[in-house]
Amino acid sequence: GQQLNQSPQSMFIQEGEDVSMNCTSSSIFNTWLWYKQDPGEGPVLLIALYKAGELTSNGRLTAQFGITRKDSFLNISASIPSDVGIYFCAVEGAQKLVFGQGTRLTINP
Amino acid sequence: DTGVSQDPRHKITKRGQNVTFRCDPISEHNRLYWYRQTLGQGPEFLTYFQNEAQLEKSRLLSDRFSAERPKGSFSTLEIQRTEQGDSAMYLCASSSTGAYNQPQHFGDGTRLSIL
Repeated sequence: GQQLNQSPQSMFIQEGEDVSMNCTSSSIFNTWLWYKQDPGEGPVLLIALYKAGELTSNGRLTAQFGITRKDSFLNISASIPSDVGIYFCAVEGAQKLVFGQGTRLTINP
Repeated sequence: DTGVSQDPRHKITKRGQNVTFRCDPISEHNRLYWYRQTLGQGPEFLTYFQNEAQLEKSRLLSDRFSAERPKGSFSTLEIQRTEQGDSAMYLCASSSTGAYNQPQHFGDGTRLSIL
């Protein structure tokens, strides 16, 4: 079964608000990834993290790789309607990805 | 378009039929992965290839499933004697090996519906 605990499962926010979601694991991983998936499409890579403590930004998105290597968070600032979708954290172990359960983001205009 | 390409995008078939999906990875990527995603869940790993060699298979991959990558480029995933529980999105991803790990990039998947 999946080893990642992603929260929250869903978020309902107003346009312009900031968003924060996180992912924890009981095991140590050396690579943490964040993907976004729109309906009917495949996951799209947002941010890849390879170093414990690393803080990486991609536009309005910021993600951090926890110092313990057991957690990561993703922040979205000043949300816009196109941010709607499902966000997945993932870790890489033995060449394959293990995904969290996803956070469904809904934005009210 | 230089992304991962999957065909068909949708497949509807009757229980018991065989189906085959195709994946064309990003051209310079030597690793190719298959995942399955059911509604409300994250993708789950099925199998992966490095070049033409199939290096790992998940326990999710029953003996009705077979994947090939004969020339180390495109891959096919075949499901024989389909069952209702096979209904899912089948995703393909690719990546390259090198001095540093490269992230996996996904195609848009094939959605399989079993009647």
